[in-house]
Amino acid sequence: DVKVTQSSRYLVKRTGEKVFLECVQDMDHENMFWYRQDPGLGLRLIYFSYDVKMKEKGDIPEGYSVSREKKERFSLILESASTNQTSMYLCASYGTGYSPLHFGNGTRLTVT
Amino acid sequence: AQKITQTQPGMFVQEKEAVTLDCTYDTSDPSYGLFWYKQPSSGEMIFLIYQGSYDQQNATEGRYSLNFQKARKSANLVISASQLGDSAMYFCAMREVNTGGFKTIFGAGTRLFVKA
Repeated sequence: DVKVTQSSRYLVKRTGEKVFLECVQDMDHENMFWYRQDPGLGLRLIYFSYDVKMKEKGDIPEGYSVSREKKERFSLILESASTNQTSMYLCASYGTGYSPLHFGNGTRLTVT
Repeated sequence: AQKITQTQPGMFVQEKEAVTLDCTYDTSDPSYGLFWYKQPSSGEMIFLIYQGSYDQQNATEGRYSLNFQKARKSANLVISASQLGDSAMYFCAMREVNTGGFKTIFGAGTRLFVKA
C-alpha cells in the first residue's frame, strides 16, 4: 500500500520564521504535490514536481518554495511565515497517467 | 484553463436514501480524468471513483457511481443507500495530462450530512 508521510501533524510557528514541511512517499512516484486546504476554498495547488529537481508553480505559489533533491522526498518551504499562511497543508503523489493521488495525513500549520 | 465547480457547500440526506453531489468542470483538453475523494472528519483523503474523458460508460464502485455528462461538462457523484459513515467532505478533482502538466485541481468541496 502506498504510504505518503508528512513529518508533522501540527506545527506552530512565529511570523517571519522559515518553515520546512517535509513529505516522503515510498512508492517511487514521479509526481508529487503540495496543496493547502482552507474552509470554503477546497484544495489549492501550491507547487508540484514531476521529477527530481523539477518543479512547477501551481495556482498559489506566492510566499512558498519547494525542493525535490530525491525522488521520494518533496519539501515545502515558507521563506518567511505570515499569518495568512495558517492552514492545513496536504502532500500527495501519484505514479503515471490517471492513477489517483495518494495523500499524507496533513500538517496543520498555525503562524502566530 | 482548468476549473472545477462544486456549487453545494452542504447537503443533507436521510439514511438509506440516494444523494447526488454536483460537479462541473471546464477544460479545453479533450483528454482528462475526473476523480472524487472523500474526507471524513479524521482528515484523511480517500479516493472513491475515477472517470476518464474517453470512457463510454459511467464509472461505478460499489455504492458510488459517477454520472458523467461530457457535453454538459458535469461529473456528479451519486451515493446510493446512504450510511451514517458517509457524512464527510467530498471533493471533485480533474487532471489534464496534455495541457495540465500532470497537475490535479480540486473543487471547493461539498459537506454531506447523513441523518439517522
